[in-house]
Amino acid sequence: QSVLTQPPSASGTPGQRVTISCSGSSSNIGSNYVYWYQQLPGTAPKLLIYKNNQRPSGVPDRFSGSKSGTSASLAISGLRSEDEADYYCAAWDDSLSGWVFGGGTKLTVL
Amino acid sequence: QVQLQESGPGLVKPSETLSLTCAVSGYSISSGCYWGWIRQPPGKGLEWIGSIYHSGSTYHNTSLKSRVTISVDTSKNQFSLKLSSVTAADTAVYYCARHVGSAAWDWFDPWGQGTLVTVSS
Repeated sequence: QSVLTQPPSASGTPGQRVTISCSGSSSNIGSNYVYWYQQLPGTAPKLLIYKNNQRPSGVPDRFSGSKSGTSASLAISGLRSEDEADYYCAAWDDSLSGWVFGGGTKLTVL
Repeated sequence: QVQLQESGPGLVKPSETLSLTCAVSGYSISSGCYWGWIRQPPGKGLEWIGSIYHSGSTYHNTSLKSRVTISVDTSKNQFSLKLSSVTAADTAVYYCARHVGSAAWDWFDPWGQGTLVTVSS
């Protein structure tokens, strides 16, 4: 059971916009930044969004992040086949003094 | 460009100690970042294990803390993980990663490619 809650799966057709939610609590998302990682099949996680809504260089602006209260979302617009991957949210938890991750969302491009 | 590479035995017997090393290149481990370990059981999600600063200051996942030892060797520019009394539940891909900053709550980037450790007799 992950501390952060994500839907196990999401899907969309090419060109569509999809969103992935991440729900936490006051000790993690409610008081700290949220990060998103993309994990392509058979590879290590790659940073997608940092500090709630910032994109590292090289990440397309089709990817955007937002946070409100104790929840966060990752939005992917103009969905492409290469976006098919697992997506994880993460945050520091003040009560645990450690990092917590969501259980991951498997995105399928139909 | 900073790169991280995990190494260690791919097979560990139950009740023994899992030992992994993360070699860092392109960046001095003493430059003021935290360095972390994260694992991923086959087909499952990510779990943070713990993180260490070059001074030796550490943070650990409370669920694993009693079994985890993380250390740093600045002379070799590497850091290590030891997990004792392993069981099949510790079978996972183990990743090392750099924290982007001098705080343990700074995010992870980049990650190593990961190494699969199987616990089996």
